[in-house]
Amino acid sequence: SAVISQKPSRDICQRGTSLTIQCQVDSQVTMMFWYRQQPGQSLTLIATANQGSEATYESGFVIDKFPISRPNLTFSTLTVSNMSPEDSSIYLCSVRTASYNEQFFGPGTRLTVL
Amino acid sequence: DAKTTQPPSMDCAEGRAANLPCNHSTISGNEYVYWYRQIHSQGPQYIIHGLKNNETNEMASLIITEDRKSSTLILPHATLRDTAVYYCIVRVPYSNYQLIWGAGTKLIIKP
Repeated sequence: SAVISQKPSRDICQRGTSLTIQCQVDSQVTMMFWYRQQPGQSLTLIATANQGSEATYESGFVIDKFPISRPNLTFSTLTVSNMSPEDSSIYLCSVRTASYNEQFFGPGTRLTVL
Repeated sequence: DAKTTQPPSMDCAEGRAANLPCNHSTISGNEYVYWYRQIHSQGPQYIIHGLKNNETNEMASLIITEDRKSSTLILPHATLRDTAVYYCIVRVPYSNYQLIWGAGTKLIIKP
């Protein structure tokens, strides 16, 4: 299995500011994803983080609001830009390895925007 | 993409078997059924998956009907730590391994 860590685990931010969330995996992975889980809701895929190229965003999510980097096979960042209270959610990093069929999830980053 | 339907909540007594149903009537022939669970304030955890045969691992059993339109996740001896939201997901093949998440079933294990 893959062990995933996220930083920070939680944060409280002011409206209009930006927060960068880091995701570190203990092994090289083929695919990395970022999800959002709004309070009381299920998971929504934001984007697929591609190594060395621009992320692939799902409908309703744009690069200007959620810039993503993936400089290598074990690390990715998600930035939540120009935050508003509607961005208050849990943000989850997820990976798939070449040798496992299932998908692994990090512990999540709980973001509160005031 | 096939969608799934699950009851919003279920209760189960500690030590009994918990049977969680899922309907996926529009599943296509090459789509798998995956089960995950999310314990409060944690990331989702993989449980089990299957295509058409019944599957068992150390956590649970998965029973898929012959027509593949529904399945049941079985936790054989539920404990309080099994209280979580359980998600039944149909995998979208050849599409960046995208998992389409429904609302899930909130399973509460009672002492």
